[in-house]
Amino acid sequence: TQLLEQSPQFLSIQEGENLTVYCNSSSVFSSLQWYRQEPGEGPVLLVTVVTGGEVKKLKRLTFQFGDARKDSSLHITAAQPGDTGLYLCAGPINDYKLSFGAGTTVTVRA
Amino acid sequence: DAGVIQSPRHEVTEMGQEVTLRCKPISGHNSLFWYRQTMMRGLELLIYFNNNVPIDDSGMPEDRFSAKMPNASFSTLKIQPSEPRDSAVYFCASSFRAGAFEQYFGPGTRLTVT
Repeated sequence: TQLLEQSPQFLSIQEGENLTVYCNSSSVFSSLQWYRQEPGEGPVLLVTVVTGGEVKKLKRLTFQFGDARKDSSLHITAAQPGDTGLYLCAGPINDYKLSFGAGTTVTVRA
Repeated sequence: DAGVIQSPRHEVTEMGQEVTLRCKPISGHNSLFWYRQTMMRGLELLIYFNNNVPIDDSGMPEDRFSAKMPNASFSTLKIQPSEPRDSAVYFCASSFRAGAFEQYFGPGTRLTVT
């Protein structure tokens, strides 16, 4: 059983469209992270959110941490083919271990 | 500075053979993690080292798996004997210190056991 549930599992959109992926849990996390993994590569950290209700922006990517610190979302505006990849959320479950969600595979068609 | 370096990038071996995967963490990072990624189970933590000492190996599947970190700049993950169900992508990651949850992943080793 995954501590962090991600939805949708797959998302395919046209270049220029917007998209949102979700990361939900019944547990409270002290922080949540988002990673992007491109085919044949390792996950790359995009952002860490630490405060309930926090919103962080990274160019066209907007990350939100839920008020109760049980969920997070990633919104991409005007998606580009370079945004294609597997998006993973992760949260700490002790002082060194991260629990990863199963990921959302995003495909942006040119 | 170079990122986490892993070798080999791809490994194809026959069942029963010994496999050794190698990792060089980012210089100055004192926490090192080995993960396995499969379609069915996603990313699973196999073992965690802090200051070269294994702290948590509860994720190591069975005795066929072993890991070492002889110094701060090198770690190995060994599978002996290998089995087809070990086929997966194995990642090494490092972080600056314990409790710093920003982890930096290597490119992975894709292992295929036939």
